[in-house]
Amino acid sequence: GAGVSQSPSNKVTEKGKDVELRCDPISGHTALYWYRQSLGQGLEFLIYFQGNSAPDKSGLPSDRFSAERTGGSVSTLTIQRTQQEDSAVYLCASSYGGMVDEQFFGPGTRLTVL
Amino acid sequence: AQSVTQLGSHVSVSEGALVLLRCNYSSSVPPYLFWYVQYPNQGLQLLLKYTTGATLVKGINGFEAEFKKSETSFHLTKPSAHMSDAAEYFCAVSDRSSASKIIFGSGTRLSIRP
Repeated sequence: GAGVSQSPSNKVTEKGKDVELRCDPISGHTALYWYRQSLGQGLEFLIYFQGNSAPDKSGLPSDRFSAERTGGSVSTLTIQRTQQEDSAVYLCASSYGGMVDEQFFGPGTRLTVL
Repeated sequence: AQSVTQLGSHVSVSEGALVLLRCNYSSSVPPYLFWYVQYPNQGLQLLLKYTTGATLVKGINGFEAEFKKSETSFHLTKPSAHMSDAAEYFCAVSDRSSASKIIFGSGTRLSIRP
């Protein structure tokens, strides 16, 4: 079946612009996660959605970052007024339930802020 | 707060040699532990996980890891390296009490010498 998909695969933007990154999780997966992978760094947790519960936003680095998940499926990560330090690969993952379940990762969106 | 440390950002072994990738965690209670692998130009995928029970966990592609509570470690091993094992490996931990997010290590890049 189809895996986690993300779009766009690459995004180049100018400093100060807003960007939206999209994630389509695997059908039936109730949990969805966003991570950021910077060059030479590990995966940095950003936000976690589980069903209809309030999302865990504890990893969002600033109030310029926000995410929503509509209808318990597709998620959008929005970065406002982008900065050069926002350049990274943004990864989305989904799983059937909680943290014990395997997370299935998308291919990521490579964001470059000029 | 939980944390995970991977010793060695880059490990190089000869084909056929033992692979040992080190991971230590910091947690007040035994956490859930994971190893994920990222092959070149591919998304992350689960290699193995420890949740409860037997402390020696076997994963895909001949890898295994042992949870050692006394050492707060979860090192990844493979008896004989293959060229196809070249990838980035991430150790991860999640809190049993909250189970709301996974903390990833900074990753270890494994290179295999012919």
